[in-house]
Amino acid sequence: TQLLEQSPQFLSIQEGENLTVYCNSSSVFSSLQWYRQEPGEGPVLLVTVVTGGEVKKLKRLTFQFGDARKDSSLHITAAQPGDTGLYLCAGAANTGTASKLTFGTGTRLQVTL
Amino acid sequence: NAGVTQTPKFRILKIGQSMTLQCTQDMNHNYMYWYRQDPGMGLKLIYYSVGAGITDKGEVPNGYNISRSTTEDFPLRLELAAPSQTSVYFCASSYSGNQLPGTFGSGTRLTVV
Repeated sequence: TQLLEQSPQFLSIQEGENLTVYCNSSSVFSSLQWYRQEPGEGPVLLVTVVTGGEVKKLKRLTFQFGDARKDSSLHITAAQPGDTGLYLCAGAANTGTASKLTFGTGTRLQVTL
Repeated sequence: NAGVTQTPKFRILKIGQSMTLQCTQDMNHNYMYWYRQDPGMGLKLIYYSVGAGITDKGEVPNGYNISRSTTEDFPLRLELAAPSQTSVYFCASSYSGNQLPGTFGSGTRLTVV
């Protein structure tokens, strides 16, 4: 079983602050995805990273895939209340005909005014 | 496009009852997935399918049955409901070029009493 550990589990910050959440594993993944999930809804895909060392930006969100493809980080600049939610990372390992995603347990972010 | 549609949104079952969780997508995606999300546990893969007529077990398939007779529909069957199956169930799909679940439904919250 490939385990993905996310840290921190909970984060409460004020609007305008910066933050970084981490996703770590001892396994190598062919790709890694980040999702945001709001209460009562399914996860929404934010980004997919596939190359070791890859950096992708989505407005105020910066995603990085580790060089060894075992870890990833999500950095949010100048957080806003709309960023509040559960952030999930998921790593994919090719197993035959389909990839099976392993999900982390998530980082619950609350941004207050 | 409606995306991935799940019904029902909520259901309470008694121990031993059966039910089918419905999932349909209108994006012509070949890959479909069923996950369950328990509090603080992330998402665990129950079953997945790479196309009509092809299904495979995920991480936690026991107690569930699956079928995929069409590209659009991917129903999940619980035959003898148990309290351990109390969870939120998510269906997801992806197009063939990306094997990872990109679009999730809004979930079915199931309680077994």
